[in-house]
Amino acid sequence: QKEVEQDPGPLSVPEGAIVSLNCTYSNSAFQYFMWYRQYSRKGPELLMYTYSSGNKEDGRFTAQVDKSSKYISLFIRDSQPSDSATYLCAMPRDNYGQNFVFGPGTRLSVLP
Amino acid sequence: EAQVTQNPRYLITVTGKKLTVTCSQNMNHEYMSWYRQDPGLGLRQIYYSMNVEVTDKGDVPEGYKVSRKEKRNFPLILESPSPNQTSLYFCASSGEGRQEQFFGPGTRLTVL
Repeated sequence: QKEVEQDPGPLSVPEGAIVSLNCTYSNSAFQYFMWYRQYSRKGPELLMYTYSSGNKEDGRFTAQVDKSSKYISLFIRDSQPSDSATYLCAMPRDNYGQNFVFGPGTRLSVLP
Repeated sequence: EAQVTQNPRYLITVTGKKLTVTCSQNMNHEYMSWYRQDPGLGLRQIYYSMNVEVTDKGDVPEGYKVSRKEKRNFPLILESPSPNQTSLYFCASSGEGRQEQFFGPGTRLTVL
């Protein structure tokens, strides 16, 4: 079983839709959870991070963590064409937080 | 402007010809990492550094070397490149106690 799994997509939605992106992980020791957005031909940029179960909201984005199920989600409300990108979940393996494992990413297209 | 820079951005080389990809950050960050990104496999950590002269292996260190002689620089060295090291490489940095990594623009390497 892979440490972190993500549906690679591509996922295509119409503008204005609610998007749900998901990752599952196998190591119950993971404490921190991050979502990165990567535009084509660019480096990833951090969208959100959380270290607890439950929801964290930032504008149109909501990160959700369910540690009991080892499942994390990123919701995008009122999706825009500018949200078209690859979304990567990431987790540090250890308490120092510098040995990271990334999911393979989900490619999202928001159609005008 | 706070940034991570990588050079070169594109490189085509031949098997066995030593090369170095440079990485520099201007944010006075303690932590730096190198990743490679391959289709279907996502971002995989090659090496990371917690501070000057402190480096550790990530998930795929074979065939790579790094050094951290100055805080701002973290070069990636391929002593004898092989075709399976053809990939997109990213350097990243983060500050002490922070989970957020800032990524460079990437270096696309082709080994013939």
